Amino acid sequence: DTGVSQDPRHKITKRGQNVTFRCDPISEHNRLYWYRQTLGQGPEFLTYFQNEAQLEKSRLLSDRFSAERPKGSFSTLEIQRTEQGDSAMYLCASSLGVQGAGTEAFFGQGTRLTVV
Amino acid sequence: AQRVTQPEKLLSVFKGAPVELKCNYSYSGSPELFWYVQYSRQRLQLLLRHISRESIKGFTADLNKGETSFHLKKPFAQEEDSAMYYCALSGSRDDKIIFGKGTRLHILP
Repeated sequence: DTGVSQDPRHKITKRGQNVTFRCDPISEHNRLYWYRQTLGQGPEFLTYFQNEAQLEKSRLLSDRFSAERPKGSFSTLEIQRTEQGDSAMYLCASSLGVQGAGTEAFFGQGTRLTVV
Repeated sequence: AQRVTQPEKLLSVFKGAPVELKCNYSYSGSPELFWYVQYSRQRLQLLLRHISRESIKGFTADLNKGETSFHLKKPFAQEEDSAMYYCALSGSRDDKIIFGKGTRLHILP
C-alpha cells in the first residue's frame, strides 16, 4: 500500500462538462475526506465519509458537487456543469478515525482541475 | 463555528534564528489541534498533534486554551524547514478536519 492515491492527477475540461475524480484511500482507513485548495489558500473542507456513510457536506458546496463512497473503500467526487470557478486542486485524505478522537489524516497528491 | 486563523501569509527568518508560526482557533468544545506541512512538490503531511506533546524535527506546539492558540515554535531554524505550514482543527463532536490558510516559512541563508 503506497498511501492515498488520486486519479487523474490533472484534468482540463471545457466549461459545462461533467468531471469525476477518484480517490483510493489507505486500505484499512474508515474515514475519507475531500478538500478543495486554490492558490494561496488552505485546504477547504468539502465533505467526509465514515465507511460508506457521508457524514457532512459543506454548506458552501454547490449542488453540482456530489461524492460517493459506495463500498466504504474508494470514493468519487463528481462536478456537474463545471464553471471556471471550479478550477482548483482537489485533495483526498483518509484516516483511521475513532468517533470523537481526531487522528492523523494522510493526503493524496491531489487532482488539479482546470476549467477553460 | 469552527475556525482556524493563521495571521501571517509569509514569514521570513534567518537560518539559526527562532521561528514562531501563529495559529488561533475558534471552537466551542474540546478540539484536537494539528500542524501539517507541505514541502515543495510533496503532499501535505502531518507534522505534529497537540495530544502527542512531542517534538518533531525540532518543532513544538503548545495548546493554550485560554488564548485559543496553538503556535508552532522552533528555537533554531534550518534551511530545510522552508515549506508551507497549515494549522488544523478537529472537533470532538464531528471530527471533520478544518485548516487555516497557511503560512509560508522562508528560511534565509
